[in-house]
Amino acid sequence: TQLLEQSPQFLSIQEGENLTVYCNSSSVFSSLQWYRQEPGEGPVLLVTVVTGGEVKKLKRLTFQFGDARKDSSLHITAAQPGDTGLYLCAGARTNTDKLIFGTGTRLQVFP
Amino acid sequence: NAGVTQTPKFQVLKTGQSMTLQCAQDMNHNSMYWYRQDPGMGLRLIYYSASEGTTDKGEVPNGYNVSRLNKREFSLRLESAAPSQTSVYFCASSGTSYNEQFFGPGTRLTVL
Repeated sequence: TQLLEQSPQFLSIQEGENLTVYCNSSSVFSSLQWYRQEPGEGPVLLVTVVTGGEVKKLKRLTFQFGDARKDSSLHITAAQPGDTGLYLCAGARTNTDKLIFGTGTRLQVFP
Repeated sequence: NAGVTQTPKFQVLKTGQSMTLQCAQDMNHNSMYWYRQDPGMGLRLIYYSASEGTTDKGEVPNGYNVSRLNKREFSLRLESAAPSQTSVYFCASSGTSYNEQFFGPGTRLTVL
């Protein structure tokens, strides 16, 4: 059973456009992380959100944790080709629990 | 610091052959993990080790064994490879409060 559903699965946009990726679950998570993975490499941590309603910004990327801690979103403003990659959300039900990864959103940004 | 290193980077096996994937981390992390990544399936946990001397099964442990050799090293062994084990394998380590993971570059394994 996949506990973390990501949407969309694929996204292909032009440079300069905005986009939002969603990570949804019926379970409550203690914390939620977002990773980016480039072709041929391992995932790299972007951010961790831990409080319901929390919003974190990383340059053009804005991450939000849902009030009920069951969902999260990643918004990219003015996407650039360097944003191309696989975006993965991952949640932990307790601070010491194993991570559960979503299925990923593959983003392609064309110049 | 090299972070998390994995060897080999690529491997082709025939059905029934065995091999060991090596992983090492230099961040003094207690926890280490082995995942496999298949198209459309995200990352699935095979085995993990919360500390030196302990190992536990993850979501998809069948056909695999692991050894936590010391705090730095965590190996994954395929005793009798099957085509269903064709995948990209990632090792990760964690030492933070929220189990944030640091990944190696991966091993691309093909079983014919």
